[in-house]
Amino acid sequence: AQTVTQSQPEMSVQEAETVTLSCTYDTSESDYYLFWYKQPPSRQMILVIRQEAYKQQNATENRFSVNFQKAAKSFSLKISDSQLGDAAMYFCAFETQGGSEKLVFGKGTKLTVNP
Amino acid sequence: GAVVSQHPSWVICKSGTSVKIECRSLDFQATTMFWYRQFPKQSLMLMATSNEGSKATYEQGVEKDKFLINHASLTLSTLTVTSAHPEDSSFYICMTSGLPSYEQYFGPGTRLTVT
Repeated sequence: AQTVTQSQPEMSVQEAETVTLSCTYDTSESDYYLFWYKQPPSRQMILVIRQEAYKQQNATENRFSVNFQKAAKSFSLKISDSQLGDAAMYFCAFETQGGSEKLVFGKGTKLTVNP
Repeated sequence: GAVVSQHPSWVICKSGTSVKIECRSLDFQATTMFWYRQFPKQSLMLMATSNEGSKATYEQGVEKDKFLINHASLTLSTLTVTSAHPEDSSFYICMTSGLPSYEQYFGPGTRLTVT
């Protein structure tokens, strides 16, 4: 079974600074997807970024980028120029490609952005 | 992105009663529905997976007779919590996947409080 580990229950960052959230995972699969989701106080899940395991290039979405290390099974999220609206719970998630499309989530990291 | 709605957004029920939560995909065919449960300050835990017209597949430890899932159409799935108890109080989130892109889309969630 796949597992996703987020070792940082809480992180804080100053507005306009950069922060990196860690995620590691365990799988025997070679093809899969990795995701970072944001859950603000409204609790609506919002997709931040998605990475296909077969792609060596790290995914980027504006201020959000990932450092995907397949051999190390590591998938960290970097948030640049942090904004107050980035404050939320962040969940790392895993999906087996060609599987049932279900997502397995890590325990989450609560990000606080200080003005 | 696709729109997924859940109804109700918040429900309070008495212990021993049943409550039904609806999840609707408004603009695409949701061939697969996933139901997650999220306890306060915890991650999303998959409860069950349902495919349109088929019986749901439940995760280990989830009582299928207590959490009834119906996925009778490509736009509607329902989760019925039967004989609810206070420990069933949680945040229930549906996630859909389907045509045309098989991307995942989350509903806004339903907060259930059992008194």
